Amino acid sequence: EDQVTQSPEALRLQEGESSSLNCSYTVSGLRGLFWYRQDPGKGPEFLFTLYSAGEEKEKERLKATLTKKESFLHITAPKPEDSATYLCAVTNFGNEKLTFGTGTRLTIIP
Amino acid sequence: DTGVSQDPRHKITKRGQNVTFRCDPISEHNRLYWYRQTLGQGPEFLTYFQNEAQLEKSRLLSDRFSAERPKGSFSTLEIQRTEQGDSAMYLCASSAFAGGNTIYFGEGSWLTVV
Repeated sequence: EDQVTQSPEALRLQEGESSSLNCSYTVSGLRGLFWYRQDPGKGPEFLFTLYSAGEEKEKERLKATLTKKESFLHITAPKPEDSATYLCAVTNFGNEKLTFGTGTRLTIIP
Repeated sequence: DTGVSQDPRHKITKRGQNVTFRCDPISEHNRLYWYRQTLGQGPEFLTYFQNEAQLEKSRLLSDRFSAERPKGSFSTLEIQRTEQGDSAMYLCASSAFAGGNTIYFGEGSWLTVV
């Protein structure tokens, strides 16, 4: 069964303080690794899809990278509006479901 | 493209009552998914449709849960004889193609069973 582990569970940063969130995964044939942002009381908002080791994608202050065992979401010079829970999920070639981690709750302090 | 739409956004019901949630996917998305999320957890897969066919169901989906997608457009998720453990956010999502293609989520329907 696919497994996704995210760390840390929670992270508090000062505005402008860069850091990284980790997503470790075990999957029988990775089809895609997804990053989502979720604000309280709302549905997950799509950020990135990564398909193969070595792939990187960027969007504003966020950059996602992928290895054969884990993915990192790097956040550069974060702002308070980046505060949210960041979810990582994987799909495999055997079915259509996303398997999610429990997320990292990120708080950016002004 | 108005995104995935869910209704109602919030529902409070008494234990033992039936509830139904509706999902309208992004137009022309032929794949539709239902997930459940409780506080502090990531979403958990419940079921998946390709057009009108329900192709995959999680073992989390007990006999009290039923989902339909008539004519391959909107979908409904019904929970019969609700229990307090059913309290959660029910998320609908859709995608245009298989597997690694982007899956877009709606805002969710919050269910509280009292």
